[in-house]
Amino acid sequence: EAGVAQSPRYKIIEKRQSVAFWCNPISGHATLYWYQQILGQGPKLLIQFQNNGVVDDSQLPKDRFSAERLKGVDSTLKIQPAKLEDSAVYLCASSSGQGARYEQYFGPGTRLTVT
Amino acid sequence: GESVGLHLPTLSVQEGDNSIINCAYSNSASDYFIWYKQESGKGPQFIIDIRSNMDKRQGQRVTVLLNKTVKHLSLQIAATQPGDSAVYFCAEAFSGGSYIPTFGRGTSLIVHP
Repeated sequence: EAGVAQSPRYKIIEKRQSVAFWCNPISGHATLYWYQQILGQGPKLLIQFQNNGVVDDSQLPKDRFSAERLKGVDSTLKIQPAKLEDSAVYLCASSSGQGARYEQYFGPGTRLTVT
Repeated sequence: GESVGLHLPTLSVQEGDNSIINCAYSNSASDYFIWYKQESGKGPQFIIDIRSNMDKRQGQRVTVLLNKTVKHLSLQIAATQPGDSAVYFCAEAFSGGSYIPTFGRGTSLIVHP
């Protein structure tokens, strides 16, 4: 079974520039998550999708961050304009959301450096 | 400048020893707990979970203990191997909140051959 795919793996931009990240979840997984992981900390949820609808985006800084999941499969996360404090690893995860066990599968992440 | 959160708690063990990683959780309403392993350059990987109606759950070489009274979780790894070297996160979730896990800070496990 293929895992969660993310691209790019690394990105360096200057502050005030825009950037977009892409995620392809595990086939058949209805639930998709974007997390931000700052160095030395645990991942923090930014947004959760169920199919192509948003379940939770309470921690997404909506003035600069946006995300979409068209057709309920792939997803993109965009930052515009970027700030220095956005430097982090952006993780995508998916889950089937079924069964008694709740299990998220994470992609390798995109490491963003804002200079 | 250096991030305040840069220095993780670290546990150093010798290969073959048993490791115990501890975690305090914050929300009394949390009823589902998960341990993740994160290797350098990779996303977190699910290790084991436990629901609040249990005190202990065992997997292959791993055991999770839950003490709801003091809101404490531990992960025990038996016969620790160099491949176990990673950052370990505990996460708590509430079944009434779509099971979205809130991650703790993480502990770095270093296994010396």
